[in-house]
This record gives sequence, C-alpha cells and structure tokens, in this order.
Amino acid sequence: GENVGLHLPTLSVQEGDNSIINCAYSNSASDYFIWYKQESGKGPQFIIDIRSNMDKRQGQRVTVLLNKTVKHLSLQIAATQPGDSAVYFCAELADFGNEKLTFGTGTRLTIIP
Amino acid sequence: GAVVSQHPSWVICKSGTSVKIECRSLDFQATTMFWYRQFPKQSLMLMATSNEGSKATYEQGVEKDKFLINHASLTLSTLTVTSAHPEDSSFYICSASTGTGGINIQYFGAGTRLSVL
Repeated sequence: GENVGLHLPTLSVQEGDNSIINCAYSNSASDYFIWYKQESGKGPQFIIDIRSNMDKRQGQRVTVLLNKTVKHLSLQIAATQPGDSAVYFCAELADFGNEKLTFGTGTRLTIIP
Repeated sequence: GAVVSQHPSWVICKSGTSVKIECRSLDFQATTMFWYRQFPKQSLMLMATSNEGSKATYEQGVEKDKFLINHASLTLSTLTVTSAHPEDSSFYICSASTGTGGINIQYFGAGTRLSVL
C-alpha cells in the first residue's frame, strides 16, 4: 500500500548548525502533511504543517518544504539546540474526511554539543 | 491549548489481566480520537479511530475484542487491553483532533508503556 518513508534513519548535527530531515511520500493525492517531534518516552509533538497547495511554510526556527513533483517533504531546523535531539516523523493525510494520518519511519536527530 | 492527557504513563500487569488506558482532551472537545501502538525504534501504527457516541473503527489486523475502545464523551476515550499477554507489551499512544478552517490536527498524549509479565 501507500507509505511515507524517510531517506535517513539517523542524523547528527553540531549544535548551532542547521539540520535538514527528509521524507519521501508515495501518495500523490495527499492533501496535508505534518512534522512531529518525539522525545524518548513521550508522545509526538506537533511542529509544523503544510497543505498541498503550498511549497514552503516557516515557523520559529523551522521550515517545511514540499516538492509535489518528486513527492518530497523536508524539515529544516535552524541553529540547532540540544533540545532538538529527538525522533522526527513526517505524516501525511490523504483524506480530510477520515483524518487518518500515515506516519513515516522516523529520523533520529542528535545534536552534538 | 490543545492538551491531551493520557493515564497511566506506565503500567505493569500480570498475564491474563486487563488494563485500561485513559485519554482526555483537557481544553477542547474531540469528536474523534485515535489509538496508536509503537514498538521500540519504530513508527506509530494506527490501531483504531474512536468516535464519540459510536463504535470504534479498527484497522486491519487489530482485534476489536482484544482492544476495547470506548469514547463515552467528547473529552474521554479509553482503551482496554483485555487478557493481556507479554506480546501486548508496547507503547500505546492516543491522540485527539481539533482545528479550524477545515483542517484538524492530531495532538498526542504522552503515551502509556505497558509491560505484561
């Protein structure tokens, strides 16, 4: 079936540098995408979202880019901090009607002090 | 805003007993709540969609008699793992959706770690 996957399972970044986490999706009909951050032993935390009619959205220190042509999603985190260390999941919503999210496999981001 | 509380955060039980996990939306009403299961170092797997006042919709392969879901009010959904066995040990996470402009975002509880001895 359709799935959402990530290119890199782990990523280590020096504190203060920028990080980019990538996600590939296969359902071209997906309308909506979300990035979640999950710290160890906790539930996922909403970071930022983007609709399929946009190609970029910015938040505080985070930017999500959507390339529908190649079905690629990325999360950029600027000026990384130790608290950014976590597993990051992309999730897609194929149908606003049933609200079901499909999660990617996750990328573990480690910030090196 | 959009706080979801899940209780308990950790539970240990003997094989054969049942365990109830609660999921509450604290500052909003949630018509729909979701229950996920997560194994170590893996992604979230949707188990069921819980709708207030109606039966839950289970994903393929999830036993509805094993994982009983009740959505009694707009702020509370419960998951009961009946006759738990060691293979049911996992991290269970709930979410509740809310939003505006036609887009609902799922907000997650902190999860419940279940260990069945």
